[in-house]
Amino acid sequence: SSELTQDPAVSVALGQTVRITCQGDSFRTYYASWYQQKPGQSPILVMYAKNNRPSGIPDRFSGSRSGNTASLTITGAQAEDEADYYCHSRDITGYQNLFGGGTKLTVL
Amino acid sequence: EVQLLQSGAEVKQPGESLKISCKGLGYSFSSFYIAWVRQMPGKGLEWMGYLNPDDSNIRYSPSFQGQVTISVDKAINTAYLQWNNLKASDTAIYYCVRHITVNADWYFDLWGRGTLVTVSS
Repeated sequence: SSELTQDPAVSVALGQTVRITCQGDSFRTYYASWYQQKPGQSPILVMYAKNNRPSGIPDRFSGSRSGNTASLTITGAQAEDEADYYCHSRDITGYQNLFGGGTKLTVL
Repeated sequence: EVQLLQSGAEVKQPGESLKISCKGLGYSFSSFYIAWVRQMPGKGLEWMGYLNPDDSNIRYSPSFQGQVTISVDKAINTAYLQWNNLKASDTAIYYCVRHITVNADWYFDLWGRGTLVTVSS
């Protein structure tokens, strides 16, 4: 398959842990990258490669991969983490980019 | 400051042509691929294509092949996205992004602010 599949919406209580998942055959070969987008803003990179955070991204964000599923985990979710999250990967042909449909995270 | 500076919002009529731009600032423009990403109103992100500013090699998503043209002027560190026959369905925000390779993995580490294109009669 040349698609990445995400749950449309996930919620988490303030301070709790949430895992946002993304399924796709490409993850058997490549790592995911993850992007956070808040309303009216450009997306920003929050996770890439095996488990790398860009400068300025809090360490409560972590990434993992198992089989055909990539995950972004937020340990101790904060109100400011409420946003849309998109997974991304190189596709299995190696020539194209894929985005997941996005997950809307609500922090309760 | 390292940034991608995109051209301003556009309002066009169906059938018109348009070329929007993305200027790389604060880094070696030719050393990194540039990609374009579309976001239709209320929808998700869609990769359109990427180019290598160094040799102008371009690859398009099958969904956008033949619908848009990506180009670059390396002399002024600027990438372009162009339409020859706009449709109402082209209404979207278009982001230019810096496309990075680490080992075999790709990711987008720098995003422009986006250019809103509105196509309406």
